[in-house]
Amino acid sequence: GALVYQYPRRTICKSGTSMRMECQAVGFQATSVAWYRQSPQKTFELIALSTVNSAIKYEQNFTQEKFPISHPNLSFSSMTVLNAYLEDRGLYLCGARVDSGNTLYFGEGSRLIVV
Amino acid sequence: GQQVQQSPASLVLQEGENAELQCNFSSTATRLQWFYQHPGGRLVSLFYNPSGTKHTGRLTSTTVTNERRSSLHISSSQTTDSGTYFCAIDESSSFSKLVFGQGTSLSVVP
Repeated sequence: GALVYQYPRRTICKSGTSMRMECQAVGFQATSVAWYRQSPQKTFELIALSTVNSAIKYEQNFTQEKFPISHPNLSFSSMTVLNAYLEDRGLYLCGARVDSGNTLYFGEGSRLIVV
Repeated sequence: GQQVQQSPASLVLQEGENAELQCNFSSTATRLQWFYQHPGGRLVSLFYNPSGTKHTGRLTSTTVTNERRSSLHISSSQTTDSGTYFCAIDESSSFSKLVFGQGTSLSVVP
């Protein structure tokens, strides 16, 4: 079956430092990867949508300068949170979709705690 | 943009009881999905249900598109059903740009 693995599961970082998270698709080809952030209040925000061989589309309030994303092949994507501050806390979820699919397969998320 | 409202915000059930979760949305172009989030964080797709009724196991989803609502029925609840249930609308043609509701937190007690 289709599985998505994310790591690390949890990171505690000092304010102003950076955190890199990875997303691995197993058992299918992830032509599109969507990165979401779930706030401590459980609301979701779409950060960016990445499609292999296409430009990454960032949503309003999110930039490549702050959240650089790499999607080099059909099984892997990574995102970095640069200069993390308290407002960047949350659960970062990677959702991957196959080319003909109608749903996203999500990983367990990478939780960012900023101190 | 799309708005998605879920109710109730939280629910406590005795094991074996049934539950009905509601989702209302602001547009008829939905591509509606229901997700379950494990307490640990993993988000699992339960249904892709843009219209009509779908069943899987003890779960039933019914979407009435022209009334802009969907429901998720859980029958004979079990403690392992505890977690948060989200409905989400796809704003785009990509099946990736999802607008989530705020979720219903379900707790099933023995």
